[in-house]
Amino acid sequence: QVQLQESGPGLVKPSQALSLTCTVSGGSISSGNYYWSWIRQPAGEGLEWIGRIYTLGSTNYNPSLKSRVTISVDTSKNQFSLKLSSVTAADTAVYYCARVSYYDSTNLDVFDIWGQGTMVTVSS
Amino acid sequence: IQMTQSPSSLSASVGDRITISCRASHSISSYLNWYQQKPGKAPKLLLYAASSLQSGVPSRFSGSGSGTDFTLTISSLQPEDFATYYCQQSYSPLMYTFGQGTKLEI
Repeated sequence: QVQLQESGPGLVKPSQALSLTCTVSGGSISSGNYYWSWIRQPAGEGLEWIGRIYTLGSTNYNPSLKSRVTISVDTSKNQFSLKLSSVTAADTAVYYCARVSYYDSTNLDVFDIWGQGTMVTVSS
Repeated sequence: IQMTQSPSSLSASVGDRITISCRASHSISSYLNWYQQKPGKAPKLLLYAASSLQSGVPSRFSGSGSGTDFTLTISSLQPEDFATYYCQQSYSPLMYTFGQGTKLEI
């Protein structure tokens, strides 16, 4: 079964860039009709969608983060990545990667597989 | 599209029947999913398209609604159901949004 695993630095300095990678195992990132997404959750708060990427490279981003976010995919490594520039303390959160599946029967997208999450703290 | 859940927290006992509400700021037809999140864990998909049960999810979970108003019902609470629940709209795939969550406590 497909599994996702986030990796990257747990501590980032203010004004620097946050970079995370999600490794897909148990299946090819290129197979099937999937988007791959990043979602974050500040401590004690709710979930915020960051953006998504299709394996052919098309992306969509949360407008509130769009100017600072880049999501990319490396199909040869079965990975996709998040880069968030100019971070501040407000970007401190648990970051999840997730697979977005399109359910034909009901014509909608779901986040059906999630990574375990990785905590990123922005602090000097 | 803004999603608003109520209540923000809820206290209940094992065996109780509970409902959680989710309201969308605009009509989203049935493009509504529900997730369960336990402390320190990733969210888990429970229901999709407002009322369809994800594979492997117990039948005590059910959902209803369309347009702007939706509910998640747990018919008989089990100890493992105490968690935080989130609704999420997929009507606008260019901007998915989640509700703020409902924490279900013993």
